[in-house]
Amino acid sequence: QKEVEQNSGPLSVPEGAIASLNCTYSDRVSQSFFWYRQYSGKSPELIMSIYSNGDKEDGRFTAQLNKASQYVSLLIRDSQPSDSATYLCAVRTTSGSRLTFGEGTQLTVNP
Amino acid sequence: NAGVTQTPKFQVLKTGQSMTLQCAQDMNHNSMYWYRQDPGMGLRLIYYSASEGTTDKGEVPNGYNVSRLNKREFSLRLESAAPSQTSVYFCASKEQNNQPQHFGDGTRLSIL
Repeated sequence: QKEVEQNSGPLSVPEGAIASLNCTYSDRVSQSFFWYRQYSGKSPELIMSIYSNGDKEDGRFTAQLNKASQYVSLLIRDSQPSDSATYLCAVRTTSGSRLTFGEGTQLTVNP
Repeated sequence: NAGVTQTPKFQVLKTGQSMTLQCAQDMNHNSMYWYRQDPGMGLRLIYYSASEGTTDKGEVPNGYNVSRLNKREFSLRLESAAPSQTSVYFCASKEQNNQPQHFGDGTRLSIL
């Protein structure tokens, strides 16, 4: 089992819809969870951090964390073509300062 | 704000050549990281430095060496480049354990 797994893509949604990206992790005592967005040919950029169970909202983005079920998700409301990118889930496990990344989910928002 | 700066941005090497990828951050971060990213493989950790003066192997360290020159700078060296090391290399840094990592723009390395 991979340490961090993301739902396989690519994911395609129409403009204005809600995009749902999911991530599961294997280390039960993981502490910190991050979502990064990566445009083609660019570097990953942080869009959300979440540390506690529940929802965290930032504009059109909502991160949801459920430690009991070991999953973290990212919802993008009112999806825009500019949201088309690969989304990376990253988890800080018990290995100190390291992050483990999922392989990413490619999202396409169609006008 | 410069953030994390990587040099060079692009490089083409021949098999067997050596080179050093440079990374510097101006955010006074304690930890620094080197990743490689290949299609379908996600980001894989090569080496990291949790604090100045320490370095540790990551997931794919073979064929690489690192130096944490000071708090700002963390370099990655390929002693004898191989075609399998063709990749995009990212440097990242963060302040402390619970904080997110911030990435540089990457170095696109091709080895012929």
